[in-house]
Amino acid sequence: GNSVTQMEGPVTLSEEAFLTINCTYTATGYPSLFWYVQYPGEGLQLLLKATKADDKGSNKGFEATYRKETTSFHLEKGSVQVSDSAVYFCALLRAAGNKLTFGGGTRVLVKP
Amino acid sequence: DAGVIQSPRHEVTEMGQEVTLRCKPISGHNSLFWYRQTMMRGLELLIYFNNNVPIDDSGMPEDRFSAKMPNASFSTLKIQPSEPRDSAVYFCASSRSGDGTGELFFGEGSRLTVL
Repeated sequence: GNSVTQMEGPVTLSEEAFLTINCTYTATGYPSLFWYVQYPGEGLQLLLKATKADDKGSNKGFEATYRKETTSFHLEKGSVQVSDSAVYFCALLRAAGNKLTFGGGTRVLVKP
Repeated sequence: DAGVIQSPRHEVTEMGQEVTLRCKPISGHNSLFWYRQTMMRGLELLIYFNNNVPIDDSGMPEDRFSAKMPNASFSTLKIQPSEPRDSAVYFCASSRSGDGTGELFFGEGSRLTVL
């Protein structure tokens, strides 16, 4: 079946540090890949996505590249801000599917 | 446009009481999802509907939980009787199935505390 594995948190960083959150997946076929972000007290919201191999999704300074050969979709940001403190979820959607499979979430705390 | 609207935002109840959570999806969206989030178990999909029909309820924990979607603009998640282990944040999300984007739009959640 489909599954998503992401690094456990919490990840604690100083402002302007480089952030990487690892995400690997198992799926049949060619899924679409997503990163969702959950700010404190809110629901999840889409951060970025990639629909095919070698695609790069980007938004708000975050980037992730769909790597089929390593079945990975790692999230990166070059210089984090305190406002990036949140929980980040990696997810996949199998082709022709309607149900996202989420990873366990990674809590990120950015200190000033 | 209004987003996904959930009510109540917070509910505190006593064990054994019935709890009803409500959700209004985004207009035009034909898929609706109920999730539960806890520190221990993370984000769990309870049930999802497509065109008001339940498609997958394998995540519903037990018979105490039930969900309905009587029309395209309203869904309920009911817990009867409630237990302390049901304490969690319950999220409703909606999407437009078949558009290929896979994007879910989440409500702000209903925080349930069962004493």
